[in-house]
Amino acid sequence: ILNVEQSPQSLHVQEGDSTNFTCSFPSSNFYALHWYRWETAKSPEALFVMTLNGDEKKKGRISATLNTKEGYSYLYIKGSQPEDSATYLCALYTGFQKLVFGTGTRLLVSP
Amino acid sequence: DAGVTQSPTHLIKTRGQHVTLRCSPISGHKSVSWYQQVLGQGPQFIFQYYEKEERGRGNFPDRFSARQFPNYSSELNVNALLLGDSALYLCASSFWGEGNQPQHFGDGTRLSIL
Repeated sequence: ILNVEQSPQSLHVQEGDSTNFTCSFPSSNFYALHWYRWETAKSPEALFVMTLNGDEKKKGRISATLNTKEGYSYLYIKGSQPEDSATYLCALYTGFQKLVFGTGTRLLVSP
Repeated sequence: DAGVTQSPTHLIKTRGQHVTLRCSPISGHKSVSWYQQVLGQGPQFIFQYYEKEERGRGNFPDRFSARQFPNYSSELNVNALLLGDSALYLCASSFWGEGNQPQHFGDGTRLSIL
């Protein structure tokens, strides 16, 4: 069974703090790596899709890096705001039209 | 443009019953995927359909089935409901369903089995 692991499971930071989470996956199964943000009572929203080793993507204060050889991706949030509070999911695409999701990192940003 | 829409929003069924969940993709998207999300876990892949054909299937029993219509909308059917089928069912669409494309999710259908 393919395992996509995310850490930490949850995180509580103060407004203005910068933070980062990790997504780990078996490097031999890699085609693409997705990041989603899922706010309570809303639908998951795509942040990034990364396909190349060394890829770096940025969207406002959020950025992500990818290392396919060692099987991990980092998501960074610079200067966290309360509206960044959400669950951040990564998902590995391994072919056969299937996305395998991690269990997510729940972020709470206090004002 | 409207996003992915799912219906109904909530549903309560009893064990042994059958349920049909519906999904309309974003206009122009030809691929629809279904996921099951139980508390504490990430979404689990159930099916993907593209151009009315099943392109991928997750590790779910035959009680789960789906189809896609000519307008690219989709239905997920679950027969002989079990307590363990209680979950949030998410639908996602993309242009071609390839792994390098982001999935666009609906708000989900919350299914409760009594």
